Amino acid sequence: GAVVSQHPSRVICKSGTSVKIECRSLDFQATTMFWYRQFPKQSLMLMATSNEGSKATYEQGVEKDKFLINHASLTLSTLTVTSAHPEDSSFYICSARQEGHQRETQYFGPGTRLLVL
Amino acid sequence: QKEVEQNSGPLSVPEGAIASLNCTYSDRGSQSFFWYRQYSGKSPELIMSIYSNGDKEDGRFTAQLNKASQYVSLLIRDSQPSDSATYLCAQGGSGGYQKVTFGTGTKLQVIP
Repeated sequence: GAVVSQHPSRVICKSGTSVKIECRSLDFQATTMFWYRQFPKQSLMLMATSNEGSKATYEQGVEKDKFLINHASLTLSTLTVTSAHPEDSSFYICSARQEGHQRETQYFGPGTRLLVL
Repeated sequence: QKEVEQNSGPLSVPEGAIASLNCTYSDRGSQSFFWYRQYSGKSPELIMSIYSNGDKEDGRFTAQLNKASQYVSLLIRDSQPSDSATYLCAQGGSGGYQKVTFGTGTKLQVIP
């Protein structure tokens, strides 16, 4: 299957700082990437859809000014958590959509665990 | 509202048995269906995709799709303790809807 990477895998930051998470599709181009958040023992929650060259589409209840998404190339999307607070501590997972013969299969990155102190 | 429904479990099966995971979906227009496995603390991993009615086999895994009943299942033969994980069912978008819709997952426990 296709490979998606995320960096960093784990980050600890102080309250009020901003954190940037990168999501890369390593062996395919992805016009669409997705950002999810998952709290312990809960299901995946889609935060936003990232489209290359255009603005991201945010799910209801997700603050676009707090979670900045940039999809500057066909292989890279970034999520910046601005002015992070302890309640933002979570597991952030990106996925990239591979189009073509396998249709719109999504492949997930390994996730980034964020802890805000 | 596009929905994918799964029993949250846990589903407990003895080692060596067949584990049967089930899923129903609401979007009749969807043409693609997926099963992901998620170990605790890890991100989901794609294990099966299926696009047409019937069965699709890959090793110990068999996905079954019944579009008339809007039903997808995953069978795991010769279950191993390493299969213990949460299994997410998902359906692809239809029309102009890009997003894959995920179920909340079924937790599988394979008892040695």
